[in-house]
Amino acid sequence: SAVISQKPSRDICQRGTSLTIQCQVDSQVTMMFWYRQQPGQSLTLIATANQGSEATYESGFVIDKFPISRPNLTFSTLTVSNMSPEDSSIYLCSVEMRLAAYNEQFFGPGTRLTVL
Amino acid sequence: AQTVTQSQPEMSVQEAETVTLSCTYDTSESDYYLFWYKQPPSRQMILVIRQEAYKQQNATENRFSVNFQKAAKSFSLKISDSQLGDAAMYFCAYRLGTYKYIFGTGTRLKVLA
Repeated sequence: SAVISQKPSRDICQRGTSLTIQCQVDSQVTMMFWYRQQPGQSLTLIATANQGSEATYESGFVIDKFPISRPNLTFSTLTVSNMSPEDSSIYLCSVEMRLAAYNEQFFGPGTRLTVL
Repeated sequence: AQTVTQSQPEMSVQEAETVTLSCTYDTSESDYYLFWYKQPPSRQMILVIRQEAYKQQNATENRFSVNFQKAAKSFSLKISDSQLGDAAMYFCAYRLGTYKYIFGTGTRLKVLA
């Protein structure tokens, strides 16, 4: 299995500022994922981050708004840029690992972001 | 487009009783995976149970089991002998391809003592 930590666990930010969220995994993984969970809603995939290459963004998400870094196989950051109250969400990172005969996705504890 | 629908925003169950959470999905694929995830309040999301579409046998994990109806595209979760610790948000998810997951909107389960 994978142990995933995120920093910060929560933050309250002012409109127009940026916040960088860190995700650390206790083992090397090829792919890391960033999700957004808006209040009372489901998880939506923002982007997939592979080490050594540009992140792949899902429809509706752009690099200028959500730049991602993936400097090595155990770490990634997601920046929420020029924030507005609509960005208030829980942001989760996840990884997929091969376990025996199947793949399983593990999630971090999330970062609860409130934008005033 | 693939979609996952959970029609029950909230469910309640008495401790020690059984509850079933519903999930339907839409896909044109024949080989895929389905999952139920549990997200306790302010806690990490964890996998409860998984089902491979090519397997006819319903998956079971201790008190958790699924009723997988492939033709009907239905994937319900049954929790037997409910415990207070089962109170959480439950998400049904479908895996598209090798890594992309589509999540439902979740069902909040309350367990009454």
